[in-house]
Amino acid sequence: GESVGLHLPTLSVQEGDNSIINCAYSNSASDYFIWYKQESGKGPQFIIDIRSNMDKRQGQRVTVLLNKTVKHLSLQIAATQPGDSAVYFCAENPPASKLTFGTGTRLQVTL
Amino acid sequence: KAGVTQTPRYLIKTRGQQVTLSCSPISGHRSVSWYQQTPGQGLQFLFEYFSETQRNKGNFPGRFSGRQFSNSRSEMNVSTLELGDSALYLCASSLGTGGANVLTFGAGSRLTVL
Repeated sequence: GESVGLHLPTLSVQEGDNSIINCAYSNSASDYFIWYKQESGKGPQFIIDIRSNMDKRQGQRVTVLLNKTVKHLSLQIAATQPGDSAVYFCAENPPASKLTFGTGTRLQVTL
Repeated sequence: KAGVTQTPRYLIKTRGQQVTLSCSPISGHRSVSWYQQTPGQGLQFLFEYFSETQRNKGNFPGRFSGRQFSNSRSEMNVSTLELGDSALYLCASSLGTGGANVLTFGAGSRLTVL
């Protein structure tokens, strides 16, 4: 498959465990945040989003936490499965500006 | 419904040539954004089009250009190719422009410059 990042930070998690992927964003004016998942050979796929007036949002097996004080986002994946293996990107959207992506974290799920 | 379609998926060019990449957005989506993805720089924003108008432009040289047609389909062009232009070019569409619009990405066009 195509490499999306040769030197990405990597998180290795055992199947069934919970995963926590962290992201620091840069613009304190950003009011919308998204997590994307990118599998080898594919484009990024939307996972979950959160607006700045919230500090937590839950989806199916995923939770996003937002800490505006320290400009930090995290993505929690419950009961991690082999299909969760991918590169995960956080993205921030300042008002009236473009979506800006973080560098990504590679999640490896071991059996 | 059909997703974002990018063509071609793979292409090889030599330095100095030019290339045109095509993107068909999701039906009903009027905004198209282009990103360059490389192992060293990650996802870098190129430009965004909405209703045939460029709304935002990233920090890329003028060799990178794009356009959007009345049916929302978009093309990007890179002229005078350089080795460093080798990358995965991703197109994404959304309903509108600006914040809180989820981008749906295509699978990308992998460009290799020799």
